[in-house]
Amino acid sequence: AQTVTQSQPEMSVQEAETVTLSCTYDTSENNYYLFWYKQPPSRQMILVIRQEAYKQQNATENRFSVNFQKAAKSFSLKISDSQLGDTAMYFCASTYNFGNEKLTFGTGTRLTIIP
Amino acid sequence: EAQVTQNPRYLITVTGKKLTVTCSQNMNHEYMSWYRQDPGLGLRQIYYSMNVEVTDKGDVPEGYKVSRKEKRNFPLILESPSPNQTSLYFCASSLKVPGLAATDTQYFGPGTRLTVL
Repeated sequence: AQTVTQSQPEMSVQEAETVTLSCTYDTSENNYYLFWYKQPPSRQMILVIRQEAYKQQNATENRFSVNFQKAAKSFSLKISDSQLGDTAMYFCASTYNFGNEKLTFGTGTRLTIIP
Repeated sequence: EAQVTQNPRYLITVTGKKLTVTCSQNMNHEYMSWYRQDPGLGLRQIYYSMNVEVTDKGDVPEGYKVSRKEKRNFPLILESPSPNQTSLYFCASSLKVPGLAATDTQYFGPGTRLTVL
């Protein structure tokens, strides 16, 4: 079974600064996928970034990038030049490619960007 | 516009009154799934479907039913709702084709806030 742990329930940062959200996971699978989802106050779940475990290169999407440490089972999200619109709940999630593609979620980190 | 839709978005009901939350996607996705979100627990899977007429239990299926008669629709049925089913519900879908190696990203609906009194 997979588990995902987010140890920072809440974080806040000044606008334009850089912030890193932590995520660790545990799995016995070799082929798996990791995701960061954003949930703004509208409660919509929005994909931020994904990483395939077999890829060594860290994924990036504009201001968002990950630090994927496979041996340490760590998958942190870095948000550069943070903006007010980044204020949201962020969930780390994992899945593996075997039949049911259930996403296993962490408990979330509430990020507040301060003007 | 490619999207997953859910209805209703908000629902307040009473214990024991059967209800259905609809989910529809227009992306021709094979895989669909239901999750519930509770404070401090993240999202947990209720049921999933690999394709038409193929459904199976997730982690928290008790008290729920689903059906998949058409590819685009995946309704969630609460035959006798109870207060512990008060939650935020999400439907999700992805282009997972059985047998292929790649796992596609799951796209979520807007959520349904259910309150059972």
